Amino acid sequence: RKEVEQDPGPFNVPEGATVAFNCTYSNSASQSFFWYRQDCRKEPKLLMSVYSSGNEDGRFTAQLNRASQYISLLIRDSKLSDSATYLCVVYWEGAGSYQLTFGKGTKLSVIP
Amino acid sequence: NAGVMQNPRHLVRRRGQEARLRCSPMKGHSHVYWYRQLPEEGLKFMVYLQKENIIDESGMPKERFSAEFPKEGPSILRIQQVVRGDSAAYFCATTSDLPNEQFFGPGTRLTVL
Repeated sequence: RKEVEQDPGPFNVPEGATVAFNCTYSNSASQSFFWYRQDCRKEPKLLMSVYSSGNEDGRFTAQLNRASQYISLLIRDSKLSDSATYLCVVYWEGAGSYQLTFGKGTKLSVIP
Repeated sequence: NAGVMQNPRHLVRRRGQEARLRCSPMKGHSHVYWYRQLPEEGLKFMVYLQKENIIDESGMPKERFSAEFPKEGPSILRIQQVVRGDSAAYFCATTSDLPNEQFFGPGTRLTVL
């Protein structure tokens, strides 16, 4: 199994702060990259895909560096509702199978 | 349009009993993935199935665990002779023909006493 490594966290930040999460992956043949969000005791939900050129969705910006096998997620103007665990996810195909490999996640707590 | 459904949501078993976890894909989805999440751990891939076929079971323990996705009905993850270490949240995710867009069910939380 290929590995995905994330900042261990937890990150405790005040409302309004900017916070960045990092992720590295070991399989250079990985094809797609995602950030998922998982609330406590709930299922993971797709937050955003990560494109080579970088992409932004409101307060969230994702970046990919294929050469360094590195992915990042930036959250600006943090809200209390952003408190969750953020999972870095890498998609790859091999031997007729398609798989997502999940990082262990980074926990974010936004404090009033 | 119902999402991915899993049942039961919570399951309590004594050591040595069997656990059956069910996953009903979203309408139009024919690919099912099972994951296990231990407390404070990340999601670990277990098995990938399409209708009536196991495509990849590289993440499944060699003993006591099995999975199926019959032509009719939900996918089932079966754990025989459960042990305390099997206590975890088990999630299934399903996709259509775009295998990288996985939608997760709410999970089944298995507790082995």
